[in-house]
Amino acid sequence: EAGVAQSPRYKIIEKRQSVAFWCNPISGHATLYWYQQILGQGPKLLIQFQNNGVVDDSQLPKDRFSAERLKGVDSTLKIQPAKLEDSAVYLCASSHQQGVDEAFFGQGTRLTVV
Amino acid sequence: RKEVEQDPGPFNVPEGATVAFNCTYSNSASQSFFWYRQDCRKEPKLLMSVYSSGNEDGRFTAQLNRASQYISLLIRDSKLSDSATYLCVVSRGSQGNLIFGKGTKLSVKP
Repeated sequence: EAGVAQSPRYKIIEKRQSVAFWCNPISGHATLYWYQQILGQGPKLLIQFQNNGVVDDSQLPKDRFSAERLKGVDSTLKIQPAKLEDSAVYLCASSHQQGVDEAFFGQGTRLTVV
Repeated sequence: RKEVEQDPGPFNVPEGATVAFNCTYSNSASQSFFWYRQDCRKEPKLLMSVYSSGNEDGRFTAQLNRASQYISLLIRDSKLSDSATYLCVVSRGSQGNLIFGKGTKLSVKP
């Protein structure tokens, strides 16, 4: 079974630039999560999708972050404009059934904002 | 109070030691509980789910106390390969958001 695919693996941008991350979840998984993990901390939930609908985006800084999952499969997360404090690993995860089943993670995108 | 709180760590133990991690959660409506393991610069991976009756997988035992809103993970006979960060994960009520603790780092020394 193919795992969660994310790209790019690494990205370095200057502050105020924009960046986009892509995620393709495990086939058949209706729930997709985006997490932000800052060094030394646990993953922080940014947004959760159930199919193509948003379940929870309460922790998403909506003035600069946006995410979509138009066809209920793959998803993109965008930051515009980026700030220094956005430097982190952005992890995408998917699960078959929200809140019940384990979430499987992609390898993440390591973002450095300089 | 944070939604999920873990022992701050780090835990430095010799091989063969028994080590216990504790975790508390604030949402009494939480339904699902997990322990994940995260190696340095890698993604988190499920170690084990935590059931009300408690469960064991080899050297690992997980316990859940709903009344106290407390979860634990016990590792017996620690191996060098157990060195990692252990993350406590709790579902947030009916929406099922998976909320992670900060993690506890374990270093097993020879």
